[in-house]
Amino acid sequence: EAQVTQNPRYLITVTGKKLTVTCSQNMNHEYMSWYRQDPGLGLRQIYYSMNVEVTDKGDVPEGYKVSRKEKRNFPLILESPSPNQTSLYFCASKGNEKLFFGSGTQLSVL
Amino acid sequence: KNEVEQSPQNLTAQEGEFITINCSYSVGISALHWLQQHPGGGIVSLFMLSSGKKKHGRLIATINIQEKHSSLHITASHPRDSAVYICAVAVGSYQLTFGKGTKLSVIP
Repeated sequence: EAQVTQNPRYLITVTGKKLTVTCSQNMNHEYMSWYRQDPGLGLRQIYYSMNVEVTDKGDVPEGYKVSRKEKRNFPLILESPSPNQTSLYFCASKGNEKLFFGSGTQLSVL
Repeated sequence: KNEVEQSPQNLTAQEGEFITINCSYSVGISALHWLQQHPGGGIVSLFMLSSGKKKHGRLIATINIQEKHSSLHITASHPRDSAVYICAVAVGSYQLTFGKGTKLSVIP
């Protein structure tokens, strides 16, 4: 089944403790991206990648890192999480006609 | 920076009604997406448009590139159509900007 797999689904952490949210797709898509969704602000793009080793900043990249060492994986790294990064995060990949989204990661930073 | 405006913000309809959701944007784009998000939170891609019109079942999406405007229509609306509908526009190497969404409630 074609899918984007995101883990974990829920994560509670404390300020400053490095964490990684994983994202993997099985459709051989070149384009992958990360978003955060906040009440009243909607979805905002964090980073995107057109292909392996090619990444670009979206609208809200501060405090986040990404890497694209292989086509199927695009992890999101928070080196030193802060409470303002508490949010619902989505990963997505793009095929010819549509975007495919992961099921989301609800992150709480205490 | 591309601004994306959706209207209306909230919409309540009776089952069977014809529904229109609008999306306007401020700069030239390479593509526009319509997305659906149900209360559980998952996001589903409905359409990707770069010109003209697309139809899938009871859903129709149109785009007018010159006017920088797109519409999503739902014919014969049903309670299962209740969701948040989100417009997203792509520029350059596919940087995406999103509208804030339209919350649709269809009452039986």
